[in-house]
Amino acid sequence: DAKTTQPPSMDCAEGRAANLPCNHSTISGNEYVYWYRQIHSQGPQYIIHGLKNNETNEMASLIITEDRKSSTLILPHATLRDTAVYYCIVRGHGGATNKLIFGTGTLLAVQP
Amino acid sequence: NAGVTQTPKFQVLKTGQSMTLQCAQDMNHNSMYWYRQDPGMGLRLIYYSASEGTTDKGEVPNGYNVSRLNKREFSLRLESAAPSQTSVYFCASSERGNDYGYTFGSGTRLTVV
Repeated sequence: DAKTTQPPSMDCAEGRAANLPCNHSTISGNEYVYWYRQIHSQGPQYIIHGLKNNETNEMASLIITEDRKSSTLILPHATLRDTAVYYCIVRGHGGATNKLIFGTGTLLAVQP
Repeated sequence: NAGVTQTPKFQVLKTGQSMTLQCAQDMNHNSMYWYRQDPGMGLRLIYYSASEGTTDKGEVPNGYNVSRLNKREFSLRLESAAPSQTSVYFCASSERGNDYGYTFGSGTRLTVV
């Protein structure tokens, strides 16, 4: 699985967009980018994933660069409840053998 | 509520004691996983089960054994607990072929003294 690089921490003002970057320069053609988050003391929660096209769901948007070497998770209107560690993970698609391997993530602190 | 249930939520063991962490899911998922999380670190995969009847090692399997009892249940056993196994343990499940995410349990906080 390709490795990812994320900043250790970021701040965001409540109500503003939070843009969380991730570098994955060694990603291979069949690997997807996944984002999970972990609110303090809870199990991780799936947010979104994508291959090469931008994706949007009710939680967030995922922007993947054309060369696929980096991506950005966007929380359009951050709230205090979005304070969490956000993990960017690259893995192959489907099947249990394509396991989720977590790094240390980005601690997003949403400030009032 | 549908999801992944872990028991117990908290446990304190003495060095050398054994215990089994239980995990059950009611989503009819094929695949199940055990992770551990140490302070300030991401999750590390201990063991996983791609489907009922199969288990495989993850990144940090030493000191642990697992049993996929049936499709619903996947247990993690510590035969002789060590202080280095003090951690938070998370169980997760996923539907093979469905990449709309893993579902995680709420964790078991284990302290070995």
